[in-house]
Amino acid sequence: GNSVTQMEGPVTLSEEAFLTINCTYTATGYPSLFWYVQYPGEGLQLLLKATKADDKGSNKGFEATYRKETTSFHLEKGSVQVSDSAVYFCALRKGSGGSNYKLTFGKGTLLTVNP
Amino acid sequence: NAGVTQTPKFQVLKTGQSMTLQCAQDMNHEYMSWYRQDPGMGLRLIHYSVGAGITDQGEVPNGYNVSRSTTEDFPLRLLSAAPSQTSVYFCASSPIQTSSYEQYFGPGTRLTVT
Repeated sequence: GNSVTQMEGPVTLSEEAFLTINCTYTATGYPSLFWYVQYPGEGLQLLLKATKADDKGSNKGFEATYRKETTSFHLEKGSVQVSDSAVYFCALRKGSGGSNYKLTFGKGTLLTVNP
Repeated sequence: NAGVTQTPKFQVLKTGQSMTLQCAQDMNHEYMSWYRQDPGMGLRLIHYSVGAGITDQGEVPNGYNVSRSTTEDFPLRLLSAAPSQTSVYFCASSPIQTSSYEQYFGPGTRLTVT
């Protein structure tokens, strides 16, 4: 079945540090890949997505590239801010049609950014 | 648009009690789903629906029932609450006929079963 593995947290960084959160996946076919963010006390929000190999998703200074050869979708940001403190989830959705609307999530990575 | 709304925000139940978690969306999305979030477990799919009158089980359906009588509403029923159902519950929806595949999440319901 489909699965997503992301680096375990928590991750603690100082403001303006470089961020990488690793994510690898297992799936048949060509899944779509996502990063969702959950701020304290809130639901999940889509941060960025990529729907085919070599696509780069980007939003709010975050980037991730869909690497089919390494089955990875690592999240990066060049300079984090205190407001980026949140839980980050990597997820995949396999194809389209039928029951393939379901998202499979990683376990989440808690990021804390200190001033 | 209000998006995806969930009620209540917090609930405490005693073991054996029943209750319904409400979820509604005003975006005319065909797909709706329920997840539970537990520490160190990520989000796990409980039940989902691809349209009114159509529901199916997800990864962890035991102890939960759902129905979908309208496009807008997708309530989750706990028939006999157990401490193992203490969790944060999220409802999500998405359109089917789109290439974006984004799911929109509600703010969550924090449930404690004592």
